[in-house]
Amino acid sequence: NAGVTQTPKFQVLKTGQSMTLQCAQDMNHNSMYWYRQDPGMGLRLIYYSASEGTTDKGEVPNGYNVSRLNKREFSLRLESAAPSQTSVYFCASSEAGMNTEAFFGQGTRLTVV
Amino acid sequence: DAKTTQPTSMDCAEGRAANLPCNHSTISGNEYVYWYRQIHSQGPQYIIHGLKNNETNEMASLIITEDRKSSTLILPHATLRDTAVYYCIVRGYGGSQGNLIFGKGTKLSVKP
Repeated sequence: NAGVTQTPKFQVLKTGQSMTLQCAQDMNHNSMYWYRQDPGMGLRLIYYSASEGTTDKGEVPNGYNVSRLNKREFSLRLESAAPSQTSVYFCASSEAGMNTEAFFGQGTRLTVV
Repeated sequence: DAKTTQPTSMDCAEGRAANLPCNHSTISGNEYVYWYRQIHSQGPQYIIHGLKNNETNEMASLIITEDRKSSTLILPHATLRDTAVYYCIVRGYGGSQGNLIFGKGTKLSVKP
């Protein structure tokens, strides 16, 4: 059982380049999330998708776009990468409701130079 | 913003119980208390959650005060592998209230 799978695991981008971070879950969860984590900080929510076909902004959405491609997949796109977006990105999924645990991927380590 | 307050760091001797406190004085009646941990820079790992009653699973126990304004995560016999950052999170229901909002957590160091 793979759980939540993120690709790629590592990426280096030049300022102004674009890229898409991929996330897929095999637990048939309705809700999916994208977080970023900067050194020494907790995770901050970028975007979330409560169910297939819906997406909403989190705490730090500027500079990012998301697509909930289907129930399994939730992608995060950086249209024009900036050094301030150097971070570790985590994807997570959970069932709907507040009495359910969320499962996290192993992260994508992104460096923008 | 995170709705919880945790100490920045704690130490614990290997084999002893680790007691991690969390204050959540503004918690609402239908909000749950969740605990996650993050080892090195891995993805956060779910530990336990509760609403009112104390909870126990194979990893830990969660003690919630009667007024629900604070809680304690207990790792009964800490090992070196329990060294991690522990996050206490208050989670509500519906829309953005159902999201997990992380603070800075408590860095637990388990020492031999």
